[in-house]
Amino acid sequence: DVKVTQSSRYLVKRTGEKVFLECVQDMDHENMFWYRQDPGLGLRLIYFSYDVKMKEKGDIPEGYSVSREKKERFSLILESASTNQTSMYLCASSLWGSGSTDTQYFGPGTRLTVL
Amino acid sequence: AQTVTQSQPEMSVQEAETVTLSCTYDTSESDYYLFWYKQPPSRQMILVIRQEAYKQQNATENRFSVNFQKAAKSFSLKISDSQLGDAAMYFCASGGSGGGADGLTFGKGTHLIIQP
Repeated sequence: DVKVTQSSRYLVKRTGEKVFLECVQDMDHENMFWYRQDPGLGLRLIYFSYDVKMKEKGDIPEGYSVSREKKERFSLILESASTNQTSMYLCASSLWGSGSTDTQYFGPGTRLTVL
Repeated sequence: AQTVTQSQPEMSVQEAETVTLSCTYDTSESDYYLFWYKQPPSRQMILVIRQEAYKQQNATENRFSVNFQKAAKSFSLKISDSQLGDAAMYFCASGGSGGGADGLTFGKGTHLIIQP
C-alpha cells in the first residue's frame, strides 16, 4: 500500500514564524502535491512538483514556498505565518503521468493554527 | 481551466438505502479524468472511484457506481446499500491530461450522513 505521511497532525504557531510542513511518500512517486482544505471551499492546490528540485505554482501559491530535495520528500514552507493561513494542509503523491490522470494518494493532513 | 460544482452541501440517507451525490464540471481539456474521493471524519482521504472521460462505460466499484453524462458534464456518485462506514465528506474532482503533473480541481464537498 502507498503510504504518505505528514510530520505533524496538529501544529500551533505564532504570527510571523517560519513554518515547515513535511511530507514523505514511500512508493517512489514522481508527483507530489500540497493542498489546502477549508470548510466550504474544498481543496485548493498550493504547489506541486513533478521531479526533484522541480516545482510549479498551483492556484493559491501566495505566502507559500516549497522544497523537494529528495524524491520522497516534499516540504511546504510558510515564510512568515499569518492568521489567514490557519487551515488543514494535505499532501498527496501520484505516479508520473500526463496531467492529473493518476490516482493521488493523500496523507492524513496537518491542522495548522496560527495565533 | 477547470471547475467542479457539488450542489449538495449535505445529504442524509437511511442505512441500507441508496443515495446519489451530484457533481457537475467544466473543462477545456479534451482528455480528462474524473474522481470521487471520500474523507471520513479525522481520517485520510481515499479514492472511491475513477472515470476516464474517453470511456463511455460507467465505472463501478462494488456498491459505488457513477452516472457519467459527458455531454451534460455531469458525474454523479451512487452508493447502494448504504452502510454506517460510508459516512464521510465526499469530494468530486477532475484532472486533465494537458501535460505536466497538474493537481486536481476539487468541488466543495458533500457531507453524507447515514441514519441508522
